[in-house]
Amino acid sequence: AQSVTQLGSHVSVSEGALVLLRCNYSSSVPPYLFWYVQYPNQGLQLLLKYTTGATLVKGINGFEAEFKKSETSFHLTKPSAHMSDAAEYFCAVQYGGSGYALNFGKGTSLLVTP
Amino acid sequence: GAVVSQHPSWVICKSGTSVKIECRSLDFQATTMFWYRQFPKQSLMLMATSNEGSKATYEQGVEKDKFLINHASLTLSTLTVTSAHPEDSSFYICSARAGGHYGYTFGSGTRLTVV
Repeated sequence: AQSVTQLGSHVSVSEGALVLLRCNYSSSVPPYLFWYVQYPNQGLQLLLKYTTGATLVKGINGFEAEFKKSETSFHLTKPSAHMSDAAEYFCAVQYGGSGYALNFGKGTSLLVTP
Repeated sequence: GAVVSQHPSWVICKSGTSVKIECRSLDFQATTMFWYRQFPKQSLMLMATSNEGSKATYEQGVEKDKFLINHASLTLSTLTVTSAHPEDSSFYICSARAGGHYGYTFGSGTRLTVV
């Protein structure tokens, strides 16, 4: 079954610094990969997704991610962190079972310090 | 864009009572809806998948008699927590998919507290 592993449950960066959130996937077939952001007591907002085509995917709020098949990775980056980026981030992979539900990683909590 | 409305956003109920959570797709027809449960500081765990007009498919370990899911129309799915107990307290989130493999829209979640 397809799954994702997020390395680092907590990441802290200074405002203006590079944000790097790591996600590795396990899939026997080409995966569809997603990054979501969640603010406290809210649902999930899609940042970006990879399905096919260009491996560098640009999303909202300045985020982007690169699909690297050789490394089975889909890391999320943002060149310059903003205080408003502090939130919980989830990497997810679509899997064929369960009606193509999304299987989520454990999440990474991003803290942005002044 | 696609919008999913989930209500209520929070609810407190007494042990032994039942609670219904609604998930509506406002501007699209959701062929499939998913229900997730999220414990504090943890990830989303898929509870069940429902297709309009069909019985829900529950994940292993999820009690189908406790968590009743109904997907009677292409725009509405409901999750009823029956005979709720404090251990059912959690954050429940629904997600709707219109079709194809790429479009998932999430509701804003429901915080259930059973006292």
